[in-house]
Amino acid sequence: QQQVKQSPQSLIVQKGGIPIINCAYENTAFDYFPWYQQFPGKGPALLIAIRPDVSEKKEGRFTISFNKSAKQFSLHIMDSQPGDSATYFCAASIEGDKIIFGKGTRLHILP
Amino acid sequence: DAGVTQSPTHLIKTRGQHVTLRCSPISGHKSVSWYQQVLGQGPQFIFQYYEKEERGRGNFPDRFSARQFPNYSSELNVNALLLGDSALYLCASSARVPGELFFGEGSRLTVL
Repeated sequence: QQQVKQSPQSLIVQKGGIPIINCAYENTAFDYFPWYQQFPGKGPALLIAIRPDVSEKKEGRFTISFNKSAKQFSLHIMDSQPGDSATYFCAASIEGDKIIFGKGTRLHILP
Repeated sequence: DAGVTQSPTHLIKTRGQHVTLRCSPISGHKSVSWYQQVLGQGPQFIFQYYEKEERGRGNFPDRFSARQFPNYSSELNVNALLLGDSALYLCASSARVPGELFFGEGSRLTVL
């Protein structure tokens, strides 16, 4: 119940394409859903986050779509660039504590 | 402003040894959390401290312990190291709980 399932494991997209990363959860007590971006040799950095009372949130080229009834959420990256190549983690927590991470998606944007 | 700093950045230990990892949070941040990231996996929560009190503990054995000092820096200690403890240990700080986590670059531990 504490898991966050993330797919795909890896993704290759042409520059300008829209990579989509999907996540699912079981615990309905989760109330905070962040996405983190991690470059090699660095720690994860918060990219964007959403709460379950909102169905969509956009920040720049990054959009989270949230489906509370299906217990699923996804990250879309518009106009993807080679600099977006990184590992992306979805996560969930209760009140921001003890964040549970998915296993990650390695994204590669082809130039 | 300095971000979260961790030391050492890399270390190699042998099975059965003990290790201490250190973390300095962002100035003004009172909460520190520790995560373990095994290669190819997402970070796993180990501990959270706020105002020097343990606020949460993940599913890790008692060989793992931590503490937070009056200046809000923190140490993670792991006793009786096992090969499976080889991982990147990440420290994150936040100004409040709950609050946005800011991660350091981690301490890469290799157990031989």
